[in-house]
Amino acid sequence: QVQLQQWGAGLLKPSETLSLTCAVNGGSFSDYFWGWIRQPPGKGLEWIGEINHGGSTTYNPSLESRVTISVDTSKNQFSLKLSSVTGADTAVYYCARVDWGGWWFDPWGQGTLVTVSS
Amino acid sequence: SSELTQDPAVSVALGQTVRITCQGDSLRSYFASWYQQKPGQAPVLVIYGKDNRPSGIPDRFSGSSSGDTASLTITGAQAEDEADYYCNSRDTSGRHNVFGTGTKVTVL
Repeated sequence: QVQLQQWGAGLLKPSETLSLTCAVNGGSFSDYFWGWIRQPPGKGLEWIGEINHGGSTTYNPSLESRVTISVDTSKNQFSLKLSSVTGADTAVYYCARVDWGGWWFDPWGQGTLVTVSS
Repeated sequence: SSELTQDPAVSVALGQTVRITCQGDSLRSYFASWYQQKPGQAPVLVIYGKDNRPSGIPDRFSGSSSGDTASLTITGAQAEDEADYYCNSRDTSGRHNVFGTGTKVTVL
């Protein structure tokens, strides 16, 4: 049973860089893509991007200029960095496993609330 | 890129059937997946592919698709099915994922 455990700073100031990491416990790391999704308070889900074990990435065009997703296969971890954050980036951020056969997300991490405030 | 549109809210009487729809051009090429999200919790996959349920998801959840519209049906809705539901698929380029706008299901 694969489980995803995520962590990172929960309070940032405007212009800082958001940094989150997700550890994959159990299952195969190389057979899947790995993704990040966010959800502003009271709003819907937004796909941020994804990476495979080889480091190939795809990003949401609306965030692409500020997003970097990386992978550490030695630790079965992947990470998200979002630069130059503003209040609009305040959200719960989730990591998830992506089945590239059909591009569904399962399972999800527990979520991390990131608040951007001066 | 493409958008996936869902009705904002639907209600269903306990034990009755409710259908949630998701509309978008990309659904002519890609299956939708469906997620249930309860307050304060991470989303949970309930339907993927043509009509597949992950282990542990009750068989009252089913999926279907026709043209540019995908549907999630809950047959015999239970109180615990009250939640937000989101669809998801690849976009028309095939390179990005996109989520639907979400539907709040209320069980009366």
